[in-house]
Amino acid sequence: EAGVTQSPTHLIKTRGQQATLRCSPISGHTSVYWYQQALGLGLQFLLWYDEGEERNRGNFPPRFSGRQFPNYSSELNVNALELEDSALYLCASSFGTDTQYFGPGTRLTVL
Amino acid sequence: GDSVTQMEGPVTLSEEAFLTINCTYTATGYPSLFWYVQYPGEGLQLLLKATKADDKGSNKGFEATYRKETTSFHLEKGSVQVSDSAVYFCALSANSNTGKLIFGQGTTLQVKP
Repeated sequence: EAGVTQSPTHLIKTRGQQATLRCSPISGHTSVYWYQQALGLGLQFLLWYDEGEERNRGNFPPRFSGRQFPNYSSELNVNALELEDSALYLCASSFGTDTQYFGPGTRLTVL
Repeated sequence: GDSVTQMEGPVTLSEEAFLTINCTYTATGYPSLFWYVQYPGEGLQLLLKATKADDKGSNKGFEATYRKETTSFHLEKGSVQVSDSAVYFCALSANSNTGKLIFGQGTTLQVKP
Protein backbone atom coordinates (compact mmCIF):
# COMPACT_ATOMS: atom_id res chain seq x y z
CA GLU A 1 0.00 0.00 0.00
CA ALA A 2 1.39 3.39 -0.98
CA GLY A 3 2.17 5.80 1.79
CA VAL A 4 1.64 9.54 1.95
CA THR A 5 3.31 11.27 -0.98
CA GLN A 6 4.40 14.88 -1.22
CA SER A 7 5.64 17.07 -4.06
CA PRO A 8 7.93 18.65 -4.83
CA THR A 9 10.79 17.23 -2.79
CA HIS A 10 12.59 20.55 -2.79
CA LEU A 11 11.36 24.05 -3.57
CA ILE A 12 13.45 27.19 -3.79
CA LYS A 13 11.72 30.57 -3.80
CA THR A 14 12.67 34.17 -3.19
CA ARG A 15 11.24 36.42 -0.53
CA GLY A 16 7.78 37.74 -1.41
CA GLN A 17 6.92 34.90 -3.79
CA GLN A 18 4.24 32.28 -3.29
CA ALA A 19 4.85 28.56 -2.72
CA THR A 20 2.46 25.67 -3.36
CA LEU A 21 3.09 22.29 -1.77
CA ARG A 22 1.07 19.17 -2.54
CA CYS A 23 0.13 16.06 -0.60
CA SER A 24 -1.63 12.81 -1.47
CA PRO A 25 -2.91 10.82 1.51
CA ILE A 26 -2.90 7.08 2.01
CA SER A 27 -5.77 5.50 0.10
CA GLY A 28 -8.90 5.50 2.29
CA HIS A 29 -7.70 8.28 4.56
CA THR A 30 -9.97 11.32 4.73
CA SER A 31 -7.95 13.65 6.97
CA VAL A 32 -4.83 15.55 5.98
CA TYR A 33 -2.57 17.50 8.33
CA TRP A 34 0.26 19.91 7.67
CA TYR A 35 3.22 20.53 10.01
CA GLN A 36 6.23 22.80 9.80
CA GLN A 37 9.63 21.59 10.98
CA ALA A 38 11.87 24.63 11.16
CA LEU A 39 15.40 24.57 12.49
CA GLY A 40 15.38 25.30 16.17
CA LEU A 41 11.59 25.43 16.42
CA GLY A 42 10.70 21.77 16.27
CA LEU A 43 7.52 20.37 14.76
CA GLN A 44 4.60 22.78 14.73
CA PHE A 45 1.01 21.98 13.74
CA LEU A 46 -0.19 24.11 10.82
CA LEU A 47 -3.53 22.91 9.44
CA TRP A 48 -6.03 20.05 9.51
CA TYR A 49 -8.42 19.24 6.69
CA ASP A 50 -11.14 16.63 6.83
CA GLU A 51 -13.78 15.88 4.21
CA GLY A 52 -12.82 19.01 2.29
CA GLU A 53 -13.16 21.38 5.23
CA GLU A 54 -10.56 23.17 7.33
CA ARG A 55 -11.11 21.82 10.85
CA ASN A 56 -8.31 23.50 12.77
CA ARG A 57 -5.26 25.66 12.27
CA GLY A 58 -2.21 26.30 14.38
CA ASN A 59 -0.68 29.59 15.41
CA PHE A 60 0.38 30.72 11.95
CA PRO A 61 -0.48 33.89 10.02
CA PRO A 62 -3.25 33.87 7.37
CA ARG A 63 -0.70 33.83 4.54
CA PHE A 64 -0.47 30.11 5.29
CA SER A 65 -3.54 28.56 3.73
CA GLY A 66 -4.60 25.45 1.92
CA ARG A 67 -7.38 23.30 0.72
CA GLN A 68 -8.46 19.70 0.38
CA PHE A 69 -9.79 18.36 -2.88
CA PRO A 70 -12.65 15.86 -3.41
CA ASN A 71 -10.10 13.05 -3.80
CA TYR A 72 -8.75 14.01 -0.34
CA SER A 73 -5.42 15.29 -1.65
CA SER A 74 -4.37 18.65 -0.33
CA GLU A 75 -2.23 21.63 -1.11
CA LEU A 76 -0.58 24.12 1.19
CA ASN A 77 -0.07 27.67 -0.06
CA VAL A 78 2.33 30.09 1.54
CA ASN A 79 1.99 33.67 0.29
CA ALA A 80 4.42 36.56 0.65
CA LEU A 81 7.27 34.24 1.60
CA GLU A 82 9.62 35.32 4.36
CA LEU A 83 13.10 34.00 5.08
CA GLU A 84 11.86 32.34 8.27
CA ASP A 85 9.42 30.21 6.25
CA SER A 86 12.38 28.07 5.21
CA ALA A 87 11.62 24.67 6.69
CA LEU A 88 10.64 21.07 6.04
CA TYR A 89 6.87 20.89 5.54
CA LEU A 90 5.40 17.55 6.49
CA CYS A 91 2.02 16.24 5.48
CA ALA A 92 0.25 13.47 7.38
CA SER A 93 -2.98 11.60 6.80
CA SER A 94 -5.34 9.53 8.92
CA PHE A 95 -8.60 7.66 8.73
CA GLY A 96 -10.88 9.96 10.68
CA THR A 97 -8.93 11.16 13.70
CA ASP A 98 -6.95 7.96 14.08
CA THR A 99 -3.15 7.66 13.99
CA GLN A 100 -1.36 10.11 11.71
CA TYR A 101 1.05 8.76 9.08
CA PHE A 102 3.58 11.12 7.61
CA GLY A 103 4.99 11.71 4.17
CA PRO A 104 8.65 12.41 3.30
CA GLY A 105 8.22 16.19 3.36
CA THR A 106 8.91 19.15 1.09
CA ARG A 107 12.04 21.18 1.83
CA LEU A 108 11.22 24.86 1.21
CA THR A 109 14.11 27.27 0.97
CA VAL A 110 13.40 30.99 0.81
CA LEU A 111 16.27 33.16 -0.46
CA GLY B 1 -1.22 23.90 28.04
CA ASP B 2 -0.40 20.45 26.77
CA SER B 3 3.29 19.73 26.27
CA VAL B 4 5.90 17.01 25.80
CA THR B 5 9.41 17.06 27.22
CA GLN B 6 12.16 14.74 25.98
CA MET B 7 15.63 14.19 27.30
CA GLU B 8 18.31 16.33 25.75
CA GLY B 9 20.46 14.74 23.11
CA PRO B 10 22.50 13.71 21.39
CA VAL B 11 22.65 10.23 22.84
CA THR B 12 25.68 8.25 21.72
CA LEU B 13 25.79 4.50 22.29
CA SER B 14 27.84 1.56 21.14
CA GLU B 15 26.17 -1.17 19.12
CA GLU B 16 24.26 -3.69 21.30
CA ALA B 17 23.94 -1.21 24.17
CA PHE B 18 20.66 -0.65 26.03
CA LEU B 19 18.69 2.43 25.03
CA THR B 20 16.39 4.60 27.09
CA ILE B 21 15.00 7.92 25.85
CA ASN B 22 12.93 9.69 28.46
CA CYS B 23 9.64 11.37 27.63
CA THR B 24 7.23 13.07 30.02
CA TYR B 25 4.04 14.89 29.20
CA THR B 26 1.55 17.39 30.53
CA ALA B 27 -2.04 17.04 29.36
CA THR B 28 -5.57 17.21 30.60
CA GLY B 29 -7.64 14.09 30.26
CA TYR B 30 -6.29 10.91 28.71
CA PRO B 31 -4.06 11.59 25.73
CA SER B 32 -2.81 9.07 23.20
CA LEU B 33 0.97 8.82 23.11
CA PHE B 34 3.31 8.14 20.19
CA TRP B 35 6.93 7.66 19.27
CA TYR B 36 7.97 8.69 15.77
CA VAL B 37 11.42 8.25 14.21
CA GLN B 38 13.05 10.46 11.58
CA TYR B 39 15.99 9.07 9.61
CA PRO B 40 18.35 11.56 7.96
CA GLY B 41 16.70 13.37 5.06
CA GLU B 42 13.35 11.66 5.55
CA GLY B 43 9.91 12.30 7.02
CA LEU B 44 8.51 10.84 10.23
CA GLN B 45 7.75 7.16 10.64
CA LEU B 46 5.41 5.90 13.33
CA LEU B 47 7.40 3.66 15.65
CA LEU B 48 4.80 2.76 18.27
CA LYS B 49 1.79 4.09 20.14
CA ALA B 50 -0.32 3.62 23.27
CA THR B 51 -3.82 4.92 23.79
CA LYS B 52 -4.53 4.28 27.48
CA ALA B 53 -2.78 3.94 30.81
CA ASP B 54 -0.57 0.84 31.26
CA ASP B 55 -0.68 0.06 27.53
CA LYS B 56 2.67 -1.04 26.13
CA GLY B 57 3.47 -0.15 22.55
CA SER B 58 6.14 -2.19 20.77
CA ASN B 59 7.71 -2.44 17.33
CA LYS B 60 11.09 -3.51 15.87
CA GLY B 61 12.45 -4.25 19.35
CA PHE B 62 11.45 -0.85 20.74
CA GLU B 63 9.00 -0.62 23.65
CA ALA B 64 7.28 2.13 25.62
CA THR B 65 4.73 1.90 28.44
CA TYR B 66 2.07 4.56 29.09
CA ARG B 67 2.52 5.49 32.76
CA LYS B 68 -0.23 7.81 33.91
CA GLU B 69 1.01 8.03 37.50
CA THR B 70 4.36 9.45 36.35
CA THR B 71 3.01 11.03 33.10
CA SER B 72 5.77 9.28 31.19
CA PHE B 73 6.25 7.27 28.00
CA HIS B 74 9.93 6.33 27.95
CA LEU B 75 11.31 4.57 24.87
CA GLU B 76 13.53 1.52 25.39
CA LYS B 77 15.40 -0.99 23.28
CA GLY B 78 17.48 -3.83 24.61
CA SER B 79 20.21 -3.86 21.95
CA VAL B 80 20.64 -0.99 19.51
CA GLN B 81 22.10 -1.26 16.02
CA VAL B 82 23.92 1.27 13.87
CA SER B 83 20.79 1.42 11.70
CA ASP B 84 18.82 2.80 14.67
CA SER B 85 20.72 6.09 14.39
CA ALA B 86 18.03 8.72 13.88
CA VAL B 87 16.03 11.43 15.63
CA TYR B 88 13.25 10.16 17.90
CA PHE B 89 10.16 12.24 18.66
CA CYS B 90 7.68 11.67 21.45
CA ALA B 91 4.21 13.08 20.73
CA LEU B 92 0.78 13.27 22.24
CA SER B 93 -2.75 13.71 20.94
CA ALA B 94 -4.75 15.25 23.76
CA ASN B 95 -7.96 15.97 21.93
CA SER B 96 -9.05 14.24 18.74
CA ASN B 97 -11.29 17.24 17.98
CA THR B 98 -8.25 19.41 17.28
CA GLY B 99 -6.37 16.98 15.03
CA LYS B 100 -3.19 18.30 16.55
CA LEU B 101 -0.15 16.27 17.56
CA ILE B 102 2.11 17.95 20.09
CA PHE B 103 5.74 16.94 19.73
CA GLY B 104 8.74 16.94 21.99
CA GLN B 105 11.90 18.58 20.73
CA GLY B 106 13.37 15.30 19.46
CA THR B 107 16.34 13.27 20.67
CA THR B 108 19.17 12.41 18.33
CA LEU B 109 20.54 8.90 18.73
CA GLN B 110 23.92 7.98 17.29
CA VAL B 111 24.99 4.34 17.47
CA LYS B 112 28.66 3.57 16.84
CA PRO B 113 29.90 0.19 15.62
